[in-house]
Amino acid sequence: LAKTTQPISMDSYEGQEVNITCSHNNIATNDYITWYQQFPSQGPRFIIQGYKTKVTNEVASLFIPADRKSSTLSLPRVSLSDTAVYYCLVGTEGKLIFGQGTELSVKP
Amino acid sequence: EAQVTQNPRYLITVTGKKLTVTCSQNMNHEYMSWYRQDPGLGLRQIYYSMNVEVTDKGDVPEGYKVSRKEKRNFPLILESPSPNQTSLYFCASSAFRDSEAFFGQGTRLTVV
Repeated sequence: LAKTTQPISMDSYEGQEVNITCSHNNIATNDYITWYQQFPSQGPRFIIQGYKTKVTNEVASLFIPADRKSSTLSLPRVSLSDTAVYYCLVGTEGKLIFGQGTELSVKP
Repeated sequence: EAQVTQNPRYLITVTGKKLTVTCSQNMNHEYMSWYRQDPGLGLRQIYYSMNVEVTDKGDVPEGYKVSRKEKRNFPLILESPSPNQTSLYFCASSAFRDSEAFFGQGTRLTVV
């Protein structure tokens, strides 16, 4: 399973766009890239998943370059309620390997 | 409503007293798994199951047992709990290998 690397923490202000980049140099051909959000003492919640290029849903966009060795989660116009830990996962095969995640702090 | 239900939400027990944390999903998912979350260590997978009667070890299986007799249920068993198993536990399920995983609300276990 591919290992992922992402920043430990990020700060932002309300209304700004936040981009969190994840590095996954050893991604396999059939691996998907998935992002989860977790609030304190709650289970992680699925945000978005993609394989290549760009994926957009009602809460986020996921940008994946052609080589797929990295991906960027984009959160448009964040609010205080987006303060959480964000995890990038690559590949599953029945196992979800969570890294340390990125702790996003959104300030007023 | 699609959900993963864990019980109990909170549990305080004594060392060596066997306990079971139940997990049930109502989405007919094939995959189920258990995680523990500890400060500074993130989420670590304990066991997972790809189908009924099929289970496999995750990264930290020592001291835990699981069973998958029915598709919807995946209980976590601690035969002889120890204080180092004090943690926040999550159960999760997903339809297939790479699909969205749904997590339960968590079980906060304290072993004294």
